[in-house]
Amino acid sequence: NAGVTQTPKFQVLKTGQSMTLQCAQDMNHNSMYWYRQDPGMGLRLIYYSASEGTTDKGEVPNGYNVSRLNKREFSLRLESAAPSQTSVYFCASRTGGYGYTFGSGTRLTVV
Amino acid sequence: KNQVEQSPQSLIILEGKNCTLQCNYTVSPFSNLRWYKQDTGRGPVSLTIMTFSENTKSNGRYTATLDADTKQSSLHITASQLSDSASYICVVSALVSNFGNEKLTFGTGTRLTIIP
Repeated sequence: NAGVTQTPKFQVLKTGQSMTLQCAQDMNHNSMYWYRQDPGMGLRLIYYSASEGTTDKGEVPNGYNVSRLNKREFSLRLESAAPSQTSVYFCASRTGGYGYTFGSGTRLTVV
Repeated sequence: KNQVEQSPQSLIILEGKNCTLQCNYTVSPFSNLRWYKQDTGRGPVSLTIMTFSENTKSNGRYTATLDADTKQSSLHITASQLSDSASYICVVSALVSNFGNEKLTFGTGTRLTIIP
């Protein structure tokens, strides 16, 4: 049982380049989330998907787009990367209840 | 503004010793409080979850307490092991109409190092 799988684990982009961070969960969870973690700050919500077919903005959505491809997959796209988007990105999922399961993260550096 | 503050920022203790981490929060309306463990290079993993009516919750050598009146929580680690070296994050949940009906506010974590 893999839980939440994120790819890639590491990425270096040049300013202005685009990329898509992939996330997949195998727990049949309804809700999926994208967070970013920056030094000295708590995790902040970028986008979430409460169920298949729906997506909504979180606290810091600017510069990002998302796609809930199916119940398993939730991708995060950076259309034109900026140095301020250098961060560690975590995908999470949950189904009702209280428990969130996090992936291992993608460490992104924009130069 | 909802906030979660943790102390200390970092802590070093000898293997086998006990320690207590603190969390103060101003989150409203309060739903639940969680403690997560985050190993270096990994995602957070849930240790405990407490609702308003619960004032203590244990998970093995980890015991969390919650005082909803003073808006404080603590995480006590007993007989520490080298594998306890990690960041411990306090997360407080608020009931909201958006964000999937629950908004999580994350603390910045306490970095715990266990030395042999």
